Amino acid sequence: QKEVEQNSGPLSVPEGAIASLNCTYSDRVSQSFFWYRQYSGKSPELIMSIYSNGDKEDGRFTAQLNKASQYVSLLIRDSQPSDSATYLCAVKFNYGGSQGNLIFGKGTKLSVKP
Amino acid sequence: DAGITQSPRHKVTETGTPVTLRCHQTENHRYMYWYRQDPGHGLRLIHYSYGVKDTDKGEVSDGYSVSRSKTEDFLLTLESATSSQTSVYFCAISESGLAGGRETQYFGPGTRLLVL
Repeated sequence: QKEVEQNSGPLSVPEGAIASLNCTYSDRVSQSFFWYRQYSGKSPELIMSIYSNGDKEDGRFTAQLNKASQYVSLLIRDSQPSDSATYLCAVKFNYGGSQGNLIFGKGTKLSVKP
Repeated sequence: DAGITQSPRHKVTETGTPVTLRCHQTENHRYMYWYRQDPGHGLRLIHYSYGVKDTDKGEVSDGYSVSRSKTEDFLLTLESATSSQTSVYFCAISESGLAGGRETQYFGPGTRLLVL
């Protein structure tokens, strides 16, 4: 059973701080990693994708991947109240060469306080 | 935004009635997916399609069927709705199922279904 684990939160940070969201997954042979943001009552929207170990930066967002430790994280710098949402981690597992589907974590709810 | 629409956006139905949800895309993407999202469970894959008339089951396919007769449309049918199928249903699309970038999934706006 492939699993993706996230702390459900809520994670509360003050405006302007760095928010750190973490995700662990169960299988070393994983290919692709995604972070989605979902506002209440809305659909998930893609923030970042990452495929190789290390950091990937896009504006205020940085995704970090460590395949050896099987975790992927999302850092949000200069957090704003508009960043308050649920953040979903998704992992694409490789089933012995065949292409697996995305497995989603249950999400971490982030609250940024003004 | 990816060109994905879902219809209806909201539906209330009674136990035992058939229900069909539609997903329509204008991106000409090969892959289409149906998910349900429930509190405490997150997003779970119901069925997916990798081409016209090519579909496969996901994690929670019992009680659901799908059809894809055109690239742009993917239908999800609840043959006989039950209260346990009350959920928010999301359609997603991707260019490819292969890793490397084009497998990124984009989501439609969702359908809220209440089965009484």
